[in-house]
Amino acid sequence: KQEVTQIPAALSVPEGENLVLNCSFTDSAIYNLQWFRQDPGKGLTSLLLIQSSQREQTSGRLNASLDKSSGRSTLYIAASQPGDSATYLCAVMAGNEKLTFGTGTRLTIIP
Amino acid sequence: DTGVSQDPRHKITKRGQNVTFRCDPISEHNRLYWYRQTLGQGPEFLTYFQNEAQLEKSRLLSDRFSAERPKGSFSTLEIQRTEQGDSAMYLCASSGRLNYGYTFGSGTRLTVV
Repeated sequence: KQEVTQIPAALSVPEGENLVLNCSFTDSAIYNLQWFRQDPGKGLTSLLLIQSSQREQTSGRLNASLDKSSGRSTLYIAASQPGDSATYLCAVMAGNEKLTFGTGTRLTIIP
Repeated sequence: DTGVSQDPRHKITKRGQNVTFRCDPISEHNRLYWYRQTLGQGPEFLTYFQNEAQLEKSRLLSDRFSAERPKGSFSTLEIQRTEQGDSAMYLCASSGRLNYGYTFGSGTRLTVV
């Protein structure tokens, strides 16, 4: 059974700093990995999708990497802003088309 | 196309009542998924459809839960005889093709009192 772990559970950093969020998964037989953002009481917004054959994806200040063999992904956020404060969720898709989620990292950017 | 729409956004109901939620996926997406999220947890899979066919149901989905997707368009999720443990955010997502990623709606927050 696939298990996804996100560390740390919560993170506070001053505005302007670069930061890294971590995600690990137990079964490397995945189709893709997706990073989402969730604001309090809201739905999920997709940030980046990495196919299993890819090593990284970039969108603006965000960069996500994938190391399938070690079961790890990182989300790098450059020059953090208060608007980046949210919960970030990592999810992996296996052949059954279902996403398995981690419990998220709650990020707070301090102005 | 404005994305995945869910209605209502919030629902408060008394224990024992039935509730129904609706999801309108992105129009060209043939795959539709329902997930449930409780406070502080990641979303958990409930069920999914490819077109009008319900292909899989989670063991989390008791007999009180039923989902439909008539004609492969919108979907409804009904909970009968609600219990306090049903209180959660119910999320709908759609996808056009395998490996293209999910697009989620804003969710329906259910509170059972």
